[in-house]
Amino acid sequence: EVQLVESGGGLVKPGGSLRLSCAASGFTFKNAWMSWVRQAPGKGLEWLGRIKSRSDGGTTDYAAPVKGRFTISRDDSKNTLHLQLNGLHTNDTAVYYCTTEGVRGVYFDHWGQGTLVTVSS
Amino acid sequence: EILLTQFPATLSVSPGERATLSCRASQSISRNLAWYHQKPGQPPRLLIYGASTRATGVPVRFSGSGSGTEFTLTISSLQSEDFAVYFCQQYNGWPPSITFGGGTKVEIK
Repeated sequence: EVQLVESGGGLVKPGGSLRLSCAASGFTFKNAWMSWVRQAPGKGLEWLGRIKSRSDGGTTDYAAPVKGRFTISRDDSKNTLHLQLNGLHTNDTAVYYCTTEGVRGVYFDHWGQGTLVTVSS
Repeated sequence: EILLTQFPATLSVSPGERATLSCRASQSISRNLAWYHQKPGQPPRLLIYGASTRATGVPVRFSGSGSGTEFTLTISSLQSEDFAVYFCQQYNGWPPSITFGGGTKVEIK
C-alpha cells in the first residue's frame, strides 16, 4: 500500500523558512515523479512544483508564484521528498500535500494527509 | 495560465440520483483533465484521469467525458460516501502548468 507521510509543518513568522519532508513507502520511490500541492484553509488546490526521478534527470519544475522561493529535492536513499520554503508570506498559510504523479500525465494518484504551515506574526 | 471553471458551485442531490458536474477550460487542453473528490479533513482522491479513465479502485458509477474545453463528471447513482467537494485539474502543456478548478460541492438534498 502506498503511504506518504508529511512532516515539518508549524507556525512560522513572515519572512521565515521551513523545510517539509514526505516519507514514502509501498512503492519504488526512486522511480517516482513527485509533486507538492497546497490548499489554503477553506480554499482550492494549488500545484507548487515537481521533481522527476533521478533516472529521468531529477529535474524540477515550479509554479510561477513560488519559483525562486520554494525548492523541491529528494533523497532516494531514505525514500524522502523535501520542500524548502523560504521568504514565507501570510498567504502561504496552507496544508501542504506530497503526491505521486501518474504515469500518463501530471495528475496526482496518491496523496499524503498533509502538513499545516501557518505563517503569522 | 489555463483557467478552469467548475459549475455549478453547489449541487444538491438526493441519494440514488444522478449527478452531473461540469468543468470548462479557458483554452483547449485535449483530454488532459483529471477529477478528484475531497471529504472534510481528508486529502483529495483521484477519480478520473485522461478525461475518462477511472483510477484504480474507483467505482463504475463515476464516469468522465469531454475533450477540448468542455468536460463532465457523472455519478450515476449517488451513494452517501459521494457527498464531497469535486475538483477538476488540467495538465496540458510543457513545462507543466497545472491548474485546478474552484470545486463543486455535492450536498445532500
